[in-house]
Amino acid sequence: DAKTTQPNSMESNEEEPVHLPCNHSTISGTDYIHWYRQLPSQGPEYVIHGLTSNVNNRMASLAIAEDRKSSTLILHRATLRDAAVYYCILRDFNHNYGQNFVFGPGTRLSVLP
Amino acid sequence: EPEVTQTPSHQVTQMGQEVILRCVPISNHLYFYWYRQILGQKVEFLVSFYNNEISEKSEIFDDQFSVERPDGSNFTLKIRSTKLEDSAMYFCASLPRTGKNEKLFFGSGTQLSVL
Repeated sequence: DAKTTQPNSMESNEEEPVHLPCNHSTISGTDYIHWYRQLPSQGPEYVIHGLTSNVNNRMASLAIAEDRKSSTLILHRATLRDAAVYYCILRDFNHNYGQNFVFGPGTRLSVLP
Repeated sequence: EPEVTQTPSHQVTQMGQEVILRCVPISNHLYFYWYRQILGQKVEFLVSFYNNEISEKSEIFDDQFSVERPDGSNFTLKIRSTKLEDSAMYFCASLPRTGKNEKLFFGSGTQLSVL
């Protein structure tokens, strides 16, 4: 899997937008960009994924750079419940579907009331 | 939304004992995984399972570990002779049929403590 780099930690105030960056300079043309998060004492959960175009869902938005070497997960209004570790993961859609997801250390997001 | 279910939520065992961690993946999913997370560390891949056989495994998944899907619904991880360093949270996950839009669904984990 191509590597991703994320800041170790970030802080945000409640009800403010949060932009979580991810660098993936060695991304290949067939890599999807996935984001998962892990709330305290829980298993990881899917947040969003995309290939080239920006994506929106009920949880977040994903902004993908034109050269695809970086992406940003956007939480539009952070809540205390959004405090979690956020993981940016690349997945090759041409690869065997059994291929595992490789989790890095992620970004620990703290949300201040 | 359908869920991956793991039992028990906590398991305490003595070093050298065998443990079986159980998972019920989402019913129409085809790919199954075990991950572990040692306290304060990252989520680590152990093994993936498809069509009743292991499709990929990590260096962590040595001869002490085995997986099974005995009855078409349960997916189990067995540790034959537990060591202190096996203490961790173990997560089961499953992947649906669809390919390019796949989302990995995780259970809430089993906390294994080896004494």
